[in-house]
Amino acid sequence: QAVLTQPSSLSASPGASASLTCTLRSDINVGTYRIYWYQQKPGSPPQYLLRYRSDSDKQQASGVPSRFSGSKDASANAGILLISGLQSEDEADYYCMIWHSSAWVFGGGTKLTVL
Amino acid sequence: EVQLVESGGGLVQPGGSLRLSCAASGFTFSSYEMNWVRQAPGKGLEWVSYISTSVSTIYYADSVKGRFTISRDNAKNSLYLQMNSLRAEDTAVYYCARYMDVWGKGTTVTVSS
Repeated sequence: QAVLTQPSSLSASPGASASLTCTLRSDINVGTYRIYWYQQKPGSPPQYLLRYRSDSDKQQASGVPSRFSGSKDASANAGILLISGLQSEDEADYYCMIWHSSAWVFGGGTKLTVL
Repeated sequence: EVQLVESGGGLVQPGGSLRLSCAASGFTFSSYEMNWVRQAPGKGLEWVSYISTSVSTIYYADSVKGRFTISRDNAKNSLYLQMNSLRAEDTAVYYCARYMDVWGKGTTVTVSS
């Protein structure tokens, strides 16, 4: 089982909100991890969006709109990237990442379509 | 402006070697941990290697352990990745990343006969 699992795709309408999930393997407790989120558009490198462990331990990357926010769902053992007020330019691939067992581990990515 | 510029990619035969470089500018390079991350065509992101500020700590992904070597020269503001015994599955865009918050544009490595 993969360390981090993301749905491969998600569609949402302009102006709506999109909740992207990053589920940790069952033997890894989401509560102890900082979860990092990246946005990648075709032909471009990943762009760091934010990291979230708790409301007292979080960071928004410089220049990233507050429409992008992080949270956790402990019951689902998952990290969440919430994008509110979706815009066409939010259409991209989104990756989550954690530091686990002396390695950076990425989720498989979610392709967000805004239509 | 914080900038990372990778170079050294290219076409190499299976079993061959390549050395990637990453030139850093706009920040105090010696104060930041650095990483290499790759992305195979049409695939997701895969972390490759990590190096601490003082080179005292180095980690590798299992897929490259024993074949790749990460290094840095803080005096030259540069990060390196020596890649030996290259395989077709190493074909990817290779990115260097400052900690994991700033990324370069990448350099393409193609392993093919």
